[in-house]
Amino acid sequence: GAGVSQSPRYKVAKRGQDVALRCDPISGHVSLFWYQQALGQGPEFLTYFQNEAQLDKSGLPSDRFFAERPEGSVSTLKIQRTQQEDSAVYLCASSYGQGTLSGANVLTFGAGSRLTVL
Amino acid sequence: AQSVTQLGSHVSVSEGALVLLRCNYSSSVPPYLFWYVQYPNQGLQLLLKYTTGATLVKGINGFEAEFKKSETSFHLTKPSAHMSDAAEYFCAVSADTGRRALTFGSGTRLQVQP
Repeated sequence: GAGVSQSPRYKVAKRGQDVALRCDPISGHVSLFWYQQALGQGPEFLTYFQNEAQLDKSGLPSDRFFAERPEGSVSTLKIQRTQQEDSAVYLCASSYGQGTLSGANVLTFGAGSRLTVL
Repeated sequence: AQSVTQLGSHVSVSEGALVLLRCNYSSSVPPYLFWYVQYPNQGLQLLLKYTTGATLVKGINGFEAEFKKSETSFHLTKPSAHMSDAAEYFCAVSADTGRRALTFGSGTRLQVQP
C-alpha cells in the first residue's frame, strides 16, 4: 500500500482482556518497528523486526507484550491481560533499509492504534 | 546510549514570527538526527534529517535545523510561522546503528496565535 496501515484505530479493553494490534507496512519495507506513545510523551521503542526476524525486543515492558511478523510483512502486537498502564497509542513504522547505515533511513509511521484500558 | 532533551513542552508564537524549537542530544557516536511533526490523530511525518555533510539541513514546509556538534544541539527553526504549523514536534536521534531504533524526545507543542 501507499502508507503504513494500522488497525484498529481505537480499541477499548477491560482490564485483563487480551488485545491484538495489526500493522501493515509499506510493501517491500524490510524493517518494522513498534513504538508506544503515552499521553503527552514521545514515542518509546518497543521492538524491531528485519523481515520476519525479531532482532530487538528490549523495549517490551513485560512478558505480557508479544510481537510477531511471521511472513516478513504484516506484524501483530499482542498484549495479554491488559492493565491500565498499557493505555497508550501504539505506533508502527517501517523503512526500506536494513544495513549498517539503516539508522539513517527514514521511518514511515502509521496513524497509530489508541488503546484505552478501563 | 543515546538520549534527546527538548526544552519547552509548549511554545507559543504569533503568526509570522520566528519559530525556534530546541533539541539537545547525547550520543557516544556520531548521531543521525531527525525532526518529526505530529498532527492530531495522525502518525509522525518527517520534517528533516541530518546524517552527514552539510550541518544546515532544510526540510519541508520551510523548516530547517542546524547540527552543532560542539553544543550537541539540533534546533529547529522557521523564519515565519503559519497557522498550519500548529502541531507537536519531536526531535529524535539514531546513534546505535546496531540497534537501528530512533530515540525520541518528549515533544514540543507549537501554538500559533493569529
